[in-house]
Amino acid sequence: DVKVTQSSRYLVKRTGEKVFLECVQDMDHENMFWYRQDPGLGLRLIYFSYDVKMKEKGDIPEGYSVSREKKERFSLILESASTNQTSMYLCASSSLLGSGVDEQYFGPGTRLTVT
Amino acid sequence: AQSVTQLGSHVSVSEGALVLLRCNYSSSVPPYLFWYVQYPNQGLQLLLKYTSAATLVKGINGFEAEFKKSETSFHLTKPSAHMSDAAEYFCAVSETDSWGKFQFGAGTQVVVTP
Repeated sequence: DVKVTQSSRYLVKRTGEKVFLECVQDMDHENMFWYRQDPGLGLRLIYFSYDVKMKEKGDIPEGYSVSREKKERFSLILESASTNQTSMYLCASSSLLGSGVDEQYFGPGTRLTVT
Repeated sequence: AQSVTQLGSHVSVSEGALVLLRCNYSSSVPPYLFWYVQYPNQGLQLLLKYTSAATLVKGINGFEAEFKKSETSFHLTKPSAHMSDAAEYFCAVSETDSWGKFQFGAGTQVVVTP
């Protein structure tokens, strides 16, 4: 059974703290993604990675950074958390097909509250 | 650039009635289309996907969707709603050479009433 796991389901942090969200997949997927989900806005892509040490900005990268040192692990970093980063964060992975587009597999999400 | 529009942020259906969730997309090239479901406090789960093999796609839990190129639509249907169908549903579009990136719609919350 394929699996994407996220380090925390719920997280509460204070404004200005550095926050790490970890994501691990066991499917040997090349692609990994970080989204934030807010009511009425759907999922918005923060960053994605198509290979180890490779990263690309998504639609809303400001205030975030990422790290991918190993193929199975993709970390999202909030350098200095702010209240407007309170959200649900979802990690996903997919394989890199020779042609076509593979489905994305999602983790359970981390609900982050910044106070 | 690709985009997805889901008509209706909330849909209420009676148990046993037809479920119809609308999705329209814009894409400059033949798209790949997906429907996902999200139950409360969970991640997204794939319902079905269109990858140009057949225009009518059958998915899990009795859902199906039809790709209509002329209408740029990919509406999701289920003939008879069940209480367990209460969830949020997301339509997504992707294209070849996009590194597998998706563009998601805003989502439709489905409420099923007895």
